[in-house]
Amino acid sequence: DTGVSQDPRHKITKRGQNVTFRCDPISEHNRLYWYRQTLGQGPEFLTYFQNEAQLEKSRLLSNRFSAERPKGSFSTLEIQRTEQGDSAMYLCASTQRTLGEQYFGPGTRLTVT
Amino acid sequence: AQKITQTQPGMFVQEKEAVTLDCTYDTSDPSYGLFWYKQPSSGEMIFLIYQGSYDQQNATEGRYSLNFQKARKSANLVISASQLGDSAMYFCAMRGIKPQGAQKLVFGQGTRLTINP
Repeated sequence: DTGVSQDPRHKITKRGQNVTFRCDPISEHNRLYWYRQTLGQGPEFLTYFQNEAQLEKSRLLSNRFSAERPKGSFSTLEIQRTEQGDSAMYLCASTQRTLGEQYFGPGTRLTVT
Repeated sequence: AQKITQTQPGMFVQEKEAVTLDCTYDTSDPSYGLFWYKQPSSGEMIFLIYQGSYDQQNATEGRYSLNFQKARKSANLVISASQLGDSAMYFCAMRGIKPQGAQKLVFGQGTRLTINP
C-alpha cells in the first residue's frame, strides 16, 4: 500500500493555458474523489468516480473542467482556459468501501498568474 | 444539505496539555458519519478518527478521542498529551450514510492548532 499519489505537486501556469493533473489511487480502491481547497477553507467536493464511471459532479465543476478515469485506475483532472480563480490545491482521495474513510493524496497546488 | 461549523480559527496549547477542537454539524440525514482529518503544512489530509451516528460509544484512536453529543449535534476532537508534531490544521467532516451516491465529504473551515514547547 503506497498511498494515493498525485502529479505534479505544484503547477504554475499563465491565465488561459490548459493544465492536467493526475491521481493514482490506492490500488484496490474503486472509488475516487476530487476535491478543491482554496486558502483558508476546507476542501470542497468536485467529482466522484466508481471504477471508470463518473457518477457525480459538483456545480463547482464548470464546463472548463473535465475529469476522466479511463480504466478505473488512475484519474486525470483537466482545466481548460485557466483563470486566476482556479488557483487552489486540488486533492484526490480514494476508498474501497462505500462507507469507509477516504485516503487523500498530497495534492496539486495550482497557481494561475 | 449538510453543514459543518468549526468556530475556532486558531488554538494555542502548551506541549503535553490536552486540547479540544470544536465541531458542530447540521444534517437532515437519519444516518451519517463524522470524521476528523489533520492537514500539516505539507498539504496532505491525514485521517484521524471516525464516529458513526448510531455508534453507542465515543470513538478513540490512540491519543485522539471524539466527544460525540448527538442531541447537541457536536463532534469535538480531544487530543490528549499534545506533542509538537500535532501542530497542523484540523478539519471536521461529515457524510451521509446512504446505499447509493457519492458519499462525498463535507468539510468545515478548519482550526489551526499550534503546540508551544
